[in-house]
Amino acid sequence: QSVLTQAPSVSGTPGQRVIISCSGSNSNIGTNTVNWYQQFPGTAPKVLIHANNYRPSGVPDRFSGSKSGTSASLAISGLQSEDEADYYCATWDDSLRGPVFGGGTKVTVL
Amino acid sequence: QVRLEESGGGVVQPGMSLRLSCAGSGFTSSSYAMHWVRQAPGKGLESVALISWDGSYEYYAASVKGRFAISRDNTANTVSLEMNSLRPEDTAVYYCAKDSGGSGSGALHFWGQGTLVTVSS
Repeated sequence: QSVLTQAPSVSGTPGQRVIISCSGSNSNIGTNTVNWYQQFPGTAPKVLIHANNYRPSGVPDRFSGSKSGTSASLAISGLQSEDEADYYCATWDDSLRGPVFGGGTKVTVL
Repeated sequence: QVRLEESGGGVVQPGMSLRLSCAGSGFTSSSYAMHWVRQAPGKGLESVALISWDGSYEYYAASVKGRFAISRDNTANTVSLEMNSLRPEDTAVYYCAKDSGGSGSGALHFWGQGTLVTVSS
């Protein structure tokens, strides 16, 4: 059972906009910034969004992040086949005094 | 460029020990917190342990506390994870990751390729 809650899967057609949600609490998302990671099968995760809504260089601008209260979201606009991957939210938890991950959301491009 | 390379994985029997190492290059190790994150087969990511830039703070997941120990050698640019009393549920790919800051609460911008630990009799 992950501290941060994500839907196991979302799907969309090419060009569509999909949103991945991440729900937490006051001790984690409510007081700390959220990071998002993308992972393809058999490879290490890669940071997609950091500090709620900042994209590292090289990440397409169709990826965007936001945070409100104790929830965060990752939006993929103009979904492409190469976006089919697992996506994880993560943040710091003040009660645990450590980092926490969401359970991950698998994005399928139909 | 920043590189992280894990080593030390393998197959061990339950109750045995294993030591993982992570060699870093391309950055000043002493400035950043370092993490171990694992992923069991077909499962999600789990933060296992982290150590602050100067070693003054260590975090352990409840599932490994008392069995695992993280350490670092900033002169050698290495981070290690000593794993004792291993259980089948510790079977996973273990990733070493570099924090964006020194405390451990930042984003993990760089990851190693991972090393597989299998605990089985």
